[in-house]
Amino acid sequence: EAGVVQSPRYKIIEKKQPVAFWCNPISGHNTLYWYRQNLGQGPELLIRYENEEAVDDSQLPKDRFSAERLKGVDSTLKIQPAELGDSAVYLCASSLGGDTQYFGPGTRLTVL
Amino acid sequence: AQSVTQPDIHITVSEGASLELRCNYSYGATPYLFWYVQSPGQGLQLLLKYFSGDTLVQGIKGFEAEFKRSQSSFNLRKPSVHWSDAAEYFCAVGAAAGNKLTFGGGTRVLVKP
Repeated sequence: EAGVVQSPRYKIIEKKQPVAFWCNPISGHNTLYWYRQNLGQGPELLIRYENEEAVDDSQLPKDRFSAERLKGVDSTLKIQPAELGDSAVYLCASSLGGDTQYFGPGTRLTVL
Repeated sequence: AQSVTQPDIHITVSEGASLELRCNYSYGATPYLFWYVQSPGQGLQLLLKYFSGDTLVQGIKGFEAEFKRSQSSFNLRKPSVHWSDAAEYFCAVGAAAGNKLTFGGGTRVLVKP
């Protein structure tokens, strides 16, 4: 069974540029999560989807971050414009019916 | 609000020696507790989880953890460490398995030959 797929694995951009990350969850998993992991810290939840609906986006900086999961399967997280402080690893996870979360390899973003 | 503390930022252990990683949590009700491992450049892999029942939980790769409600702890143990266990370990707590997870800051484990 394929795990959570994320792309790209690495991204380097200049500040003020836009960037997007893509996540394909484990087949059949209805819940999808985006976490941000700053260097030397544990991941922090940005947004959680139940199917197409964002049920917890309280930690998503909505002035520059947006996310979508239009068909309840894959998801895109966007930052526009990026700032230096956005450099981090962005992790996607999925779960089935509220069970254990399984994580993808992450996208490492560097903002110069 | 839920929180997790991992008091040890780094631990160095000799190969073959035992390992114990500490985790203390703060949560008002019965927590869902997890240990994940992260190798360099990789995502998080689930080692084990505790939802209810037996407070001693067995996981993958020979790891186990014990839930102690009175101490608000969920420490991870392995009796004999292998060089491949060098990684960063994260303890996490959630209100339910599918809800938001709150992670500790992680403990980086170095294994000496």
